[in-house]
Amino acid sequence: DIQMTQSPASLSASLGETVTIECLASEDIYSNLAWYQQKPGKSPQLLIYYANSLNDGVPSRFSGSGSGTQYSLKINSLQSEDVSIYFCQQNYDSPWTFGGGTKLELK
Amino acid sequence: EVKLVESGGGLVQPGRSLKLSCAASGFSFNDYWMGWVRQAPGKGLEWIGEINQDSTTINYIPSLKDKFTISRDNAQNTLYLQMSKLGSEDTAIYYCARVTTIALFDYWGQGVMVTVSS
Repeated sequence: DIQMTQSPASLSASLGETVTIECLASEDIYSNLAWYQQKPGKSPQLLIYYANSLNDGVPSRFSGSGSGTQYSLKINSLQSEDVSIYFCQQNYDSPWTFGGGTKLELK
Repeated sequence: EVKLVESGGGLVQPGRSLKLSCAASGFSFNDYWMGWVRQAPGKGLEWIGEINQDSTTINYIPSLKDKFTISRDNAQNTLYLQMSKLGSEDTAIYYCARVTTIALFDYWGQGVMVTVSS
């Protein structure tokens, strides 16, 4: 199975700040990487797929990048509604696996 | 509007069975793969498995293959998860999700809590 390791596990940032979350795959997943946002008490929502493609309706302050085994999610100009847990997922090889999550809070 | 609504969760004793349902609406259910994902309290997401449009292909995470069974009823627009031999490690929120052609989960239900305890 492909292991997905996210860092940091938690992150505290101020409004307007830029934050970056990292995701490391245990092998090359050829950009088959998605990011999900889970707001408090809600179910996850798809944010980004193919490492850098924004899902419909996702604000442009979110962006994804990376290749090979290393990927990142960047949030520019942090807003209060961005407080969430963020998960990465590889969709390169079954079983589909998720990172452990990054909890983003406001400072 | 795509809507997925899980039901059937609750408190169950160790070793017993439970069947979850997921009612789908707002899209052509029989055109999509569907899947189940769970989240233990305070933990990350774990893919359980998926089923194709006509139930001819069902994939599971190997560790749950002998305990869980996924099925669907396209006439009722409903997805199911039959769980057996439940243990405390199965305590989690269970989500059903629509699966895209590239194995992404583009719509999720609100989730249903399953607690395994005596």
